[in-house]
Amino acid sequence: QQKVQQSPESLIVPEGAMTSLNCTFSDSASQYFAWYRQHSGKAPKALMSIFSNGEKEEGRFTIHLNKASLHFSLHIRDSQPSDSALYLCAVRRGSALGRLHFGAGTQLIVIP
Amino acid sequence: GPKVLQIPSHQIIDMGQMVTLNCDPVSNHLYFYWYKQILGQQMEFLVNFYNGKVMEKSKLFKDQFSVERPDGSYFTLKIQPTALEDSAVYFCASSLLDSYEQYFGPGTRLTVL
Repeated sequence: QQKVQQSPESLIVPEGAMTSLNCTFSDSASQYFAWYRQHSGKAPKALMSIFSNGEKEEGRFTIHLNKASLHFSLHIRDSQPSDSALYLCAVRRGSALGRLHFGAGTQLIVIP
Repeated sequence: GPKVLQIPSHQIIDMGQMVTLNCDPVSNHLYFYWYKQILGQQMEFLVNFYNGKVMEKSKLFKDQFSVERPDGSYFTLKIQPTALEDSAVYFCASSLLDSYEQYFGPGTRLTVL
C-alpha cells in the first residue's frame, strides 16, 4: 500500500520569499508525480507533474524529483499572497488507469 | 481550463437512506474517478470507471457503493444504504484517454445523520 507523506503540515512565509514543500512516497514503482493546489472550497487543480528524475521549471514553480530517495518537492520562487492555498502531492504507478495516492497536504499562507 | 462540475455541493441525509452524487465530467474525457476525503484526512481513491465498467476499486468501495454513467450523462456514485462513516467530501475526477492528468470537481460534502 503506497504511503505518501508531506512536510511541513503548514507554512507561513512573507511575500517574495522562496517556499519549499516536500513529499515522500513508499512505492519505488511509482512513475507519475504531481502537485495539486486547492483553494478553500474549490476543486484541486494540477500545478505541475514530472515523470523522470531531475527538475522541471514553469514560471515561478519548480518541481524536483529524486526517485532513489523516494522524494519530490515543489519550490515557489517570489511567493505571492495568491499562492496561499492547500498544496497536495500525488503519486501514481504507470498505468493510465492507476489511482492517485495523495498526501495530507501543506497549508501555505503568504503574508503581504 | 476544463471544468468538472459536481451536484449537489452539500447533501444531508439520514442513515439508511439512499444517496446519489452526480458528476459532470470534462466533455471529451473517457476515464472517471471518485475519491473520498474524511475531515482532517487525506483524499483516498475509491474507484475508476472506463467504457461502462469499473476498472479498479479500493477497499473503501463497499458493496453498498455503485457507479454508472448511463448514455453519456452524469457519472454517478450511489450509496445504498448509507452509514455514519460515509460522511465525507466526495471528489469526482476525469481524464483524457492518453493523459495522466486528472481534473477534479469541487466536491460534494455528504453528511449522514
